[in-house]
Amino acid sequence: SQQGEEDPQALSIQEGENATMNCSYKTSINNLQWYRQNSGRGLVHLILIRSNEREKHSGRLRVTLDTSKKSSSLLITASRAADTASYFCATDHFGGATNKLIFGTGTLLAVQP
Amino acid sequence: KAGVTQTPRYLIKTRGQQVTLSCSPISGHRSVSWYQQTPGQGLQFLFEYFSETQRNKGNFPGRFSGRQFSNSRSEMNVSTLELGDSALYLCASSLTGVLNTEAFFGQGTRLTVV
Repeated sequence: SQQGEEDPQALSIQEGENATMNCSYKTSINNLQWYRQNSGRGLVHLILIRSNEREKHSGRLRVTLDTSKKSSSLLITASRAADTASYFCATDHFGGATNKLIFGTGTLLAVQP
Repeated sequence: KAGVTQTPRYLIKTRGQQVTLSCSPISGHRSVSWYQQTPGQGLQFLFEYFSETQRNKGNFPGRFSGRQFSNSRSEMNVSTLELGDSALYLCASSLTGVLNTEAFFGQGTRLTVV
């Protein structure tokens, strides 16, 4: 499969706790993106991090990228019930006539109130 | 500004039929990409259109086709539907392409093939 792998597949935490999810990918990238999907709906873009960046912040979100290990992590601090969703990493893939965004398998986050 | 609009939201079709899904991107966006999401395969890239031209194509059979109009609206067509085509179909709109810029997704069309 060309997909990235996300870990864990599912995570359940209490409101106020931090949530960390990891993404590993297979080939060299230019960019890595994180998206959130509420149950059965469209994806919402969270952060884009470029291959020459190691860390990026957006509000309560912190993303790190380690290109040597081909991995990224998303940290959500002080989680809220509204953060309950599936989180996907996506990497760019360049392959001849098919340049595309490859999504990981996702982490299902449940934040208990 | 208005978001990405996909119509219809839900569809039920019979095996062998064909279906057309529509996606209206954000005004000014020239790139529209389509994805299929299923529990088993996750999010799979179908194709991308940019300025009315198919720029990239995923590994789907020829039954899956698309087009883009001069106003950037895009349609996706699936012919000779199979049970395995049941999925959430998502379109993504972006200024220049989803690989290096933020993509805005529609709410999706949930297709059920019976």
